[in-house]
Amino acid sequence: DTGVSQNPRHKITKRGQNVTFRCDPISEHNRLYWYRQTLGQGPEFLTYFQNEAQLEKSRLLSDRFSAERPKGSFSTLEIQRTEQGDSAMYLCASSAEDRPGPGELFFGEGSRLTVL
Amino acid sequence: LAKTTQPISMDSYEGQEVNITCSHNNIATNDYITWYQQFPSQGPRFIIQGYKTKVTNEVASLFIPADRKSSTLSLPRVSLSDTAVYYCLVVGSSNTGKLIFGQGTTLQVKP
Repeated sequence: DTGVSQNPRHKITKRGQNVTFRCDPISEHNRLYWYRQTLGQGPEFLTYFQNEAQLEKSRLLSDRFSAERPKGSFSTLEIQRTEQGDSAMYLCASSAEDRPGPGELFFGEGSRLTVL
Repeated sequence: LAKTTQPISMDSYEGQEVNITCSHNNIATNDYITWYQQFPSQGPRFIIQGYKTKVTNEVASLFIPADRKSSTLSLPRVSLSDTAVYYCLVVGSSNTGKLIFGQGTTLQVKP
């Protein structure tokens, strides 16, 4: 078990460009989450998948953001027409539906986005 | 969802026991108290969760008084590698993984 894997770890882009992040969850986990974290703040929930179904989206997820999990395994988070305010760490987490306790998520190391 | 309040920062020295207290006055009957640890440039890591009294694992202990309006995370004999941000969360028993993190407590362990 290699844990939750995220790629790329770092991305620097110019304002207006599109970026895509990939998350590979722990293989037996059917739930996958995206969070965003800015400097000095705790992570903020963006969206959640159970298998391939996207069950909840935060209002933080504007129209420029889209997340997919086409086969219920890996997930992608795309940001279109990036803005400087999108600069943040994008964290992916996974969990099993029959996890030991509520709130026990396994986070990846994150993808840090810098928009110039 | 219950809001939590914890100190913004704490300092300690190697070998000391560190206790971080979290207030959650509006905790609901079905809520669990959960703590995460986050090192710089890494994702948060679940460290302990409890409902009442005391929970202990290989990393920490969690003390929860009878009224459950507060809790204390205890880290025994800290080392420099325990320098991190510690988040206290209140999580409902039916929570699907939408966690609400505050600013956490930044623990600085000094030699």
